[in-house]
Amino acid sequence: DVKVTQSSRYLVKRTGEKVFLECVQDMDHENMFWYRQDPGLGLRLIYFSYDVKMKEKGDIPEGYSVSREKKERFSLILESASTNQTSMYLCASTEPGTGGSYNEQFFGPGTRLTVL
Amino acid sequence: LAKTTQPISMDSYEGQEVNITCSHNNIATNDYITWYQQFPSQGPRFIIQGYKTKVTNEVASLFIPADRKSSTLSLPRVSLSDTAVYYCLVEGFQKLVFGTGTRLLVSP
Repeated sequence: DVKVTQSSRYLVKRTGEKVFLECVQDMDHENMFWYRQDPGLGLRLIYFSYDVKMKEKGDIPEGYSVSREKKERFSLILESASTNQTSMYLCASTEPGTGGSYNEQFFGPGTRLTVL
Repeated sequence: LAKTTQPISMDSYEGQEVNITCSHNNIATNDYITWYQQFPSQGPRFIIQGYKTKVTNEVASLFIPADRKSSTLSLPRVSLSDTAVYYCLVEGFQKLVFGTGTRLLVSP
């Protein structure tokens, strides 16, 4: 059974703290993604990576960075957490599809981050 | 930034067919349309993907008109377990734009 795991289901941090969210996939997928999900806004792409040590900004990268040192692991970093980063964070992985699209994305269960 | 728009919510009854439409006026030539289903406390799960005309799998159909500015997810004979949030996604090269989701409530 394919699996994407995220390091924590719930996380509470204080403003200004450095936060690491970890994602691991066991499907040997090339592409990995970080999204945040907020009520009324759906899923918004923060960063993605199409290979080890490669990263691309998504639609809302401000305040975030990422790291991909190994193919199976993609980390999202909040350098200095702020209250407006309180959200559900979802990680996903997939293989490239045809014509520039992607195949089915497999999502982790999400990490609900609260910044106080 | 491309925009993907869908209704906030829909209600249905068991056994009915449900059609959820997504608007994506700025879709690019090489973009695909994908639909995901999400239950509470879980990540989204793939339902179906298409480029044009009609695609059908064991759980749903996807209708895409010739201009591709909209798409319709069709769920035949829904059951209570189909109560979930459904997301439309327009995806292309280094581009992934989700809609805001449609909350479907299926009642007995």
